[in-house]
Amino acid sequence: DQQVKQNSPSLSVQEGRISILNCDYTNSMFDYFLWYKKYPAEGPTFLISISSIKDKNEDGRFTVFLNKSAKHLSLHIVPSQPGDSAVYFCAARTDKLIFGTGTRLQVFP
Amino acid sequence: NAGVMQNPRHLVRRRGQEARLRCSPMKGHSHVYWYRQLPEEGLKFMVYLQKENIIDESGMPKERFSAEFPKEGPSILRIQQVVRGDSAAYFCASSPIGGRLNEQFFGPGTRLTVL
Repeated sequence: DQQVKQNSPSLSVQEGRISILNCDYTNSMFDYFLWYKKYPAEGPTFLISISSIKDKNEDGRFTVFLNKSAKHLSLHIVPSQPGDSAVYFCAARTDKLIFGTGTRLQVFP
Repeated sequence: NAGVMQNPRHLVRRRGQEARLRCSPMKGHSHVYWYRQLPEEGLKFMVYLQKENIIDESGMPKERFSAEFPKEGPSILRIQQVVRGDSAAYFCASSPIGGRLNEQFFGPGTRLTVL
């Protein structure tokens, strides 16, 4: 029972363009969401989060949008840079983290 | 302030052996979480511990797996009689508080390979 879903296993974007990573969830009780970035052979690092009382949170090149009615959130990265190439996980936070399966982003020059 | 530390970073075991994975939380953090990432999958919650207490072990396999977080020393995830399906990356995270406001910081993980 996958409560947090990332349906795109991979995404390839040209440097300078926008990267849009998507995430869907099934439990309407979730009220806090996070995005983590993970490089190979490292642990996940926190990127940005959003509370369900908001529909948008922005931090530099990173913006997360939340559509509660659709149970959908997305992460926008603009402009994309080669150093953004990593696996991105969305997660819902309860008293633990419930992760999606991740999307591998490749930013090419 | 050192981050979450895990050791060993890589562990190789033969089927039937025991694996012990250690996690030292960040200074001042008393809540520890273990997650497992199987190949090509996301991280799956295993267990949540406070000092000397298991708070939530709903993600732990029923057999062979155990975890502890003693009053002194690191948290230990122990896997007895390992099988090939236990091969995965095991991540530990810590937070200063628990409950729904936990802010988790992850360690670099231990990659377990079972031959």
